[in-house]
Amino acid sequence: GESVGLHLPTLSVQEGDNSIINCAYSNSASDYFIWYKQESGKGPQFIIDIRSNMDKRQGQRVTVLLNKTVKHLSLQIAATQPGDSAVYFCAEIRTSYDKVIFGPGTSLSVIP
Amino acid sequence: GEEVAQTPKHLVRGEGQKAKLYCAPIKGHSYVFWYQQVLKNEFKFLISFQNENVFDETGMPKERFSAKCLPNSPCSLEIQATKLEDSAVYFCASSQSPDHEQYFGPGTRLTVT
Repeated sequence: GESVGLHLPTLSVQEGDNSIINCAYSNSASDYFIWYKQESGKGPQFIIDIRSNMDKRQGQRVTVLLNKTVKHLSLQIAATQPGDSAVYFCAEIRTSYDKVIFGPGTSLSVIP
Repeated sequence: GEEVAQTPKHLVRGEGQKAKLYCAPIKGHSYVFWYQQVLKNEFKFLISFQNENVFDETGMPKERFSAKCLPNSPCSLEIQATKLEDSAVYFCASSQSPDHEQYFGPGTRLTVT
């Protein structure tokens, strides 16, 4: 989906399918990236991180890919489950500035 | 503690009133960050602390917002003379260092009427 005004990009996937959530980051000087999951009424929860000297990192059911050439980050969730339904935010950190910049968020809905 | 604690959970203020929010970081974390989230959208960075010292305040609307992190006390974010547009969820996060993951609290929902 597309982001228009205050509307979040949305992604709907069938339970069991793989999900891919994309994020374009803003600054080529950013050297640390994090994906957060935010469930309704809760604070963001750390999922996975990656440093700029890597292009791929895997966790449990999640993989983060980093393409520094086009300043693109993606989160892949394998075998998506209903509990994965949430808003996902990418965040970039420029350690020289020590500030976290969050992306706009993507709402993931898992269809049982 | 093992989690970032924020109080109160909800806060309702009339326009022009003062609002004060509190945050207790995870024990051992020396960095504290405050963010404002409006309508489940992006997180707007407000201010960060290294222990009791302001680390980065470039996001703070300085005329009405202030924040402190004093030794042996919860950190606080205060909004003087609240406006309708201050209605948001305010999150506090803490970390061991700026380039480590930040752990977020549950947030304080501020409603200005």
